[in-house]
Amino acid sequence: QVQLQESGPGLVKPSETLSLTCDVSGASVGSYYWTWIRQPPGKGLEWIGLINTSGGTHYNFSLMSRVTISVDSSKNQFSLKLTSVTAADSAIYFCARQNYYGPLYYMDIWGAGTTVTVSS
Amino acid sequence: ELLLTQSPDTVSLSPGETATLSCRSSQSGSSSNLAWYQQKPGQAPRLLIYAASTRASGIPDRFSGSGSGTDFTLTINRLEPEDFAVYYCQQYGSTAPRTVTFGQGTRLETK
Repeated sequence: QVQLQESGPGLVKPSETLSLTCDVSGASVGSYYWTWIRQPPGKGLEWIGLINTSGGTHYNFSLMSRVTISVDSSKNQFSLKLTSVTAADSAIYFCARQNYYGPLYYMDIWGAGTTVTVSS
Repeated sequence: ELLLTQSPDTVSLSPGETATLSCRSSQSGSSSNLAWYQQKPGQAPRLLIYAASTRASGIPDRFSGSGSGTDFTLTINRLEPEDFAVYYCQQYGSTAPRTVTFGQGTRLETK
């Protein structure tokens, strides 16, 4: 079955770039849409953005100036880069498969999540 | 901007009872534009329902979704101990800027 695993630094300094990778197993990364979602400690879920099968991206309007999502087909993984981070970017970051049904985009498979803390 | 409001924020019930969780959208659109997720402490969310009423693979039939327009409901019959968790609804906006949006969550706790 499809499994996802996030990886990356758990600690990032303010103003630097947060970089995470999601390894995909059980499916080809080029065959589906993929997404990143985050959850600040004790809070709700925030969608960051997605990448589609053509490499096109769609980002949360509130983050789009700082976010890049990309795919590396050779490694069967996709990545998140978030620039100029602040403490407000501290969160659990989840990668997920983005599926769709009619007008609905939803997440049917999730990684376990990785905690990122922004601190000097 | 799409806004999803879930109610109540917290509900306290006992195993065996029925939970009714609500989600109201600020946009009236397709009746199939809604998903529900369950999240337990320390775990990733799990998809329960998509297209408002279709159970995801492996989800027990005590979970059911209904609704259309702006008002949606997740019903959990015969609550089991493992059902006590936080539940989120989610839509994809029908107007620009289109985003995946979550409700604030409803905590289902044991009475």
